[in-house]
Amino acid sequence: DAGITQSPRYKITETGRQVTLMCHQTWSHSYMFWYRQDLGHGLRLIYYSAAADITDKGEVPDGYVVSRSKTENFPLTLESATRSQTSVYFCASSEYRLQGGNEQFFGPGTRLTVL
Amino acid sequence: GQQVMQIPQYQHVQEGEDFTTYCNSSTTLSNIQWYKQRPGGHPVFLIQLVKSGEVKKQKRLTFQFGEAKKNSSLHITATQTTDVGTYFCAGRNSGGSNYKLTFGKGTLLTVNP
Repeated sequence: DAGITQSPRYKITETGRQVTLMCHQTWSHSYMFWYRQDLGHGLRLIYYSAAADITDKGEVPDGYVVSRSKTENFPLTLESATRSQTSVYFCASSEYRLQGGNEQFFGPGTRLTVL
Repeated sequence: GQQVMQIPQYQHVQEGEDFTTYCNSSTTLSNIQWYKQRPGGHPVFLIQLVKSGEVKKQKRLTFQFGEAKKNSSLHITATQTTDVGTYFCAGRNSGGSNYKLTFGKGTLLTVNP
C-alpha cells in the first residue's frame, strides 16, 4: 500500500554511537520533514527538504545530519547519539501547491532510546 | 522566530461535555492547520483554515480562524471517548516558507466515559 514508512520503529543505542533513521514515501511528494516529539515540547522541526538534494535546518538541527539523494527517501542520522536525543521521531511529507497550505502526512514514528 | 502557543495543555472532560482548545501565534499566519494524534499514534491532518474569520465544521468539530489571522480554535461538541488524543494546531507564517509549519505544543484531551 502506498504511504510513508519509517524504520526502525524502535531503537535502543548507546551514547556516542551513530544511528540512522529511515523514511520512505511512495507518493513522490516534493517536501519531507523530520520532527522530534518530546513531552512538553510538542513537535519540533529538525530538518526539512524541498526536493532531492535540497535540505535546510529547522528549529533543532544540532547533532543531526540529513540527506536526500532520491525524492522518496529522507534518512536522518545522529552522528554521535546523546541521551538528550532520546525521543520519538516522526517523518512527514507533503506535496507542493502554488497556493500553499499543504497538509503533511506523517509516518508511524521511530521511538529512539539512547542509553 | 515564529511562536505558536496552545492552551490548555491538558483537558479532562466527562463524555458528553464540550471541549475547546485555543491557538495563538506571535505573527500573522497565511493559514493554520489542525492535527489529531491518538495515544501511541502519529499526527493526522484534520483541516486547514485560510481566510480571515473562517469557520469550518466537521460533524461535532468546529474550527475557527481569527479575523487577524493570529489565532484559532477547535471546539468539540458533546465529546465521545473516540475524541481522546492530542490536538495540535500548526501555523504557516505569512510571507514565510510555503511549506514549513510551526506546531503548537498540543492539548491532550481525555474523556471519562
